[in-house]
Amino acid sequence: NAGVTQTPKFQVLKTGQSMTLQCAQDMNHNSMYWYRQDPGMGLRLIYYSASEGTTDKGEVPNGYNVSRLNKREFSLRLESAAPSQTSVYFCASRTDRVGFSYEQYFGPGTRLTVT
Amino acid sequence: TQLLEQSPQFLSIQEGENLTVYCNSSSVFSSLQWYRQEPGEGPVLLVTVVTGGEVKKLKRLTFQFGDARKDSSLHITAAQPGDTGLYLCAGAQGAGSYQLTFGKGTKLSVIP
Repeated sequence: NAGVTQTPKFQVLKTGQSMTLQCAQDMNHNSMYWYRQDPGMGLRLIYYSASEGTTDKGEVPNGYNVSRLNKREFSLRLESAAPSQTSVYFCASRTDRVGFSYEQYFGPGTRLTVT
Repeated sequence: TQLLEQSPQFLSIQEGENLTVYCNSSSVFSSLQWYRQEPGEGPVLLVTVVTGGEVKKLKRLTFQFGDARKDSSLHITAAQPGDTGLYLCAGAQGAGSYQLTFGKGTKLSVIP
């Protein structure tokens, strides 16, 4: 049971390049999330998917797109990377246990630098 | 936007000392979680509190949810170097909410 996995672990991009961050979970969770974490800013929600086939914007969606490929996989795409997107990106999934439906489980993160 | 304010932002203590970190809001939350994040890793869930006034213990860590469900505290007894990390609180707005509101965290360093 790997939990939430993310690839790649590290990435350096030049301004204007595109890339896709991959996330997969093996816990049969319905909901999945993408966050970014910046110093002094805490975790900010980019997009989330409440269930397979649905996606919704979070607090900071501009410059990103997402795809819920199936129940297990949720990808984040940067179409034209900007230095302001330098950050650590975390994917998370949410348990559906009755009474504990808000607990989220996080992946190890992708450290992205845009030069 | 509902905000969660964590204090202190940074805390450096000697091994064996006790400490308390706080998570406060003007809004009511249906539940509140505490996570610990170590450098280079993702946050790991420590506990969820759901009832006003609830107290939960996890070894040397004691978590309390305020009676009004607007605040929470984490108390660590006899801190150890292994407790070093970033402690995050996160609250859920209500039944059916898919989003959590995260505080900015308390960075704890326990010096041997």
